[in-house]
This record gives sequence, structure tokens and C-alpha cells, in this order.
Amino acid sequence: GAGVSQSPSNKVTEKGKDVELRCDPISGHTALYWYRQSLGQGLEFLIYFQGNSAPDKSGLPSDRFSAERTGGSVSTLTIQRTQQEDSAVYLCASSFVAGVQETQYFGPGTRLLVL
Amino acid sequence: AQKVTQAQTEISVVEKEDVTLDCVYETRDTTYYLFWYKQPPSGELVFLIRRNSFDEQNEISGRYSWNFQKSTSSFNFTITASQVVDSAVYFCALRRGSNYKLTFGKGTLLTVNP
Repeated sequence: GAGVSQSPSNKVTEKGKDVELRCDPISGHTALYWYRQSLGQGLEFLIYFQGNSAPDKSGLPSDRFSAERTGGSVSTLTIQRTQQEDSAVYLCASSFVAGVQETQYFGPGTRLLVL
Repeated sequence: AQKVTQAQTEISVVEKEDVTLDCVYETRDTTYYLFWYKQPPSGELVFLIRRNSFDEQNEISGRYSWNFQKSTSSFNFTITASQVVDSAVYFCALRRGSNYKLTFGKGTLLTVNP
């Protein structure tokens, strides 16, 4: 597609369950980023990929959060044993390369609600 | 540490009014990049502009204009003759010259009333 796509659009889960969020970057973009948007914390960086490797995982809030990227394309963000404070919109972005001058283009996000 | 402050939480204007959204940033880096994104009710962050720290030239794009002043660490965004479709949350963001993560402000909710 023309832009970054994310699935599912919305996810409701019960506390303690695992969830997987998917991001499909813009075709040809080698860098991929995950952010979280919540009412209390605003927009926070989670992790960034260059190709399939993640040089910066500094934003992951706990070891319940992990992400992987395969084939230099699709990425999956996994949250294990979800907690209510994980409720947020998870945004994915991609850029052509990981250069600091590059612009990050965002997807529509996945709205996660943990009951 | 990097910080972006958008002091205006909400702004409400009537259509055709001009409106300026303020953004003040903090960084010790000499090389950095500033961004504005628009987030309409659909939720997707739409890129508007990127500015490099070594280029203080102001920019105009249609009804949008940006005023970058390093002396006051500000990167303000003005919408001229606002329209209802401009209603959205606008985010200012900063990226260091040596890092890939964006640091966002809290956003300004702009409501343009007909």
C-alpha cells in the first residue's frame, strides 16, 4: 500500500493475556519505529529497527514488551501478560533509511484496551 | 535532555481566523531536527514539515507557515484563514542529530468552528 498499515485497528483484551500488534511499513523503507500514545504520557518512543536489527530498545517500558522484524519489512510488537496501564494507541512509523535527517511517516495506530 | 513544550493545550477559533501554535524546545545539541505533525480525529499522524537546526529560513506552504527562531528556541506554526478541516491535534517534535527517536510535545488541540 501507499502508507504504513497497522493491524488490528482496535484490540480489546483481558488483563493477563498476550497481544500481538502488526506493522507493515511503506514499501522500500528500511527503518521502522514503534511509539505509544497514552493520555498520561503523551507520545513515547518504544523501539526502532534498521533492517531486522533493533539498535535502540531503550523505550520499551518493561520486559513484557518485545518486538521483532522479519525480512526487513513487517514488524510485530508483542505485549505479554497485559496490564491495564498498557491501554494506549500504539503507533508505527517508517522512514526510507535510518538517517537522522529522514522523516518518519506514521500509520493509523492500534488502539489497545486492556480490561 | 530533550524537551518540547506546547503550552497551548486547546485553542478554539472561528473559521477564517489566523491562529498560531507555539512550540518551544530544549536541547544541548548543535545539530537537531524539528517537526510538526497533524493528528486528525482518524488518529493517523500526518507529517507537515521538517526543519534542520542549521536552516533558520522560515517556510510557507499555502495557508501554513512556520517561524523558526534559534534565539528563542521556538518553532511556531501559523495557519492563515483557518478552515474547519484544520481541526486536529498538532504535535511539535524534536530529534537529536545523533539519535533516531522523536521527542514530542503534548500537542495542541485546535478546533475551528464554522
